[in-house]
Amino acid sequence: NAGVTQTPKFRILKIGQSMTLQCTQDMNHNYMYWYRQDPGMGLKLIYYSVGAGITDKGEVPNGYNVSRSTTEDFPLRLELAAPSQTSVYFCASRQVNSNQPQHFGDGTRLSIL
Amino acid sequence: AQSVTQLDSHVSVSEGTPVLLRCNYSSSYSPSLFWYVQHPNKGLQLLLKYTSAATLVKGINGFEAEFKKSETSFHLTKPSAHMSDAAEYFCVVSDQREGTGKLIFGQGTTLQVKP
Repeated sequence: NAGVTQTPKFRILKIGQSMTLQCTQDMNHNYMYWYRQDPGMGLKLIYYSVGAGITDKGEVPNGYNVSRSTTEDFPLRLELAAPSQTSVYFCASRQVNSNQPQHFGDGTRLSIL
Repeated sequence: AQSVTQLDSHVSVSEGTPVLLRCNYSSSYSPSLFWYVQHPNKGLQLLLKYTSAATLVKGINGFEAEFKKSETSFHLTKPSAHMSDAAEYFCVVSDQREGTGKLIFGQGTTLQVKP
């Protein structure tokens, strides 16, 4: 059982480039989340989805877009990369029951130069 | 509004001695509380969770935490530290009434374990 899989693990972008961070889960979880983690900080929610076709903004959505066409996949898009988006990005998923914990991927380390 | 404060950014203990990582929370409603651990260059792993059942919660690897409503605390403890416990620890709160399961993270506590 793979759980939550994120690709790529590392990426370096130039300012103004775009890219998509991939996230897929094989646990049939309806809820999925994207977080960013800056050095010495906890995680901050970027976007989340409660099911296919439904997405909503989190705490820090500016500069990002998401889509959720299937239950399994929840890609995060950076359209015009900026140095402030240098961070570690984590994807997570959860069952519908509100008492259940979120399961995290291993993260994507993104540097924008 | 919900919030989480981890009272120590860095804790250093000797191997074999007790561990105490402190967490206070603020929540208007019945909270779910979690402790996650993050080893270097890894994702977050759930240590334990509180969801309004027993106030003393046992987790993996010998960790436990006690929910104290009167003190709004959820401190993480372990009787005897092991070298492999060195990692970053996050206290996390979620509002059980809010259906999306959004998590609010503390800033993290780095646990150093000395031989």
